[in-house]
Amino acid sequence: KQEVTQIPAALSVPEGENLVLNCSFTDSAIYNLQWFRQDPGKGLTSLLLIQSSQREQTSGRLNASLDKSSGRSTLYIAASQPGDSATYLCARDSSNTGKLIFGQGTTLQVKP
Amino acid sequence: EAGVTQFPSHSVIEKGQTVTLRCDPISGHDNLYWYRRVMGKEIKFLLHFVKESKQDESGMPNNRFLAERTGGTYSTLKVQPAELEDSGVYFCASSQGRSSGTLGETQYFGPGTRLLVL
Repeated sequence: KQEVTQIPAALSVPEGENLVLNCSFTDSAIYNLQWFRQDPGKGLTSLLLIQSSQREQTSGRLNASLDKSSGRSTLYIAASQPGDSATYLCARDSSNTGKLIFGQGTTLQVKP
Repeated sequence: EAGVTQFPSHSVIEKGQTVTLRCDPISGHDNLYWYRRVMGKEIKFLLHFVKESKQDESGMPNNRFLAERTGGTYSTLKVQPAELEDSGVYFCASSQGRSSGTLGETQYFGPGTRLLVL
């Protein structure tokens, strides 16, 4: 059973488009939800962290939302750029110990 | 401030050999995590240290894996003997560890060690 699901697995968009990446989780007992970016052959870079008491977080062109009742989080990227091309991962922490459970990621390609 | 570092970046070994991976967390971070991504699968939790103590090792696959964190600073993950299915990318992450616990803390990841067992 996949506890964290990310749809779509891959996405290709032209530069300048706004886009939404989806993350759903089966356990609503969530403490926080973290979005990461991974470039090929590199480690994970934290983008946004939403605590359970929050509904969204914003950083620059990125906005992440959290809806615990429906078990969903979205990452909105405004005015996409080729440099946004990467794999985006969401991970939830439901144990209050920091143990993250990851989705398989969405690989984004932004074409110039 | 230096980020999380991992050594080596790549390791290729034969089945049955031993490999030791090292992680240096961000200075002052009490929490240290190990994760692993095997081919085609999602990243999975292995274990969690708070300072030098193992807080949660529920993700360790079997007793061929041994993790230590001497003095609450760097950590090592030893695989002995290595098997083919151990191939993957091993990530280390750290977080500060506030007095309120780990709630709401960002985890900072290292670049990973790519392990290939032949």
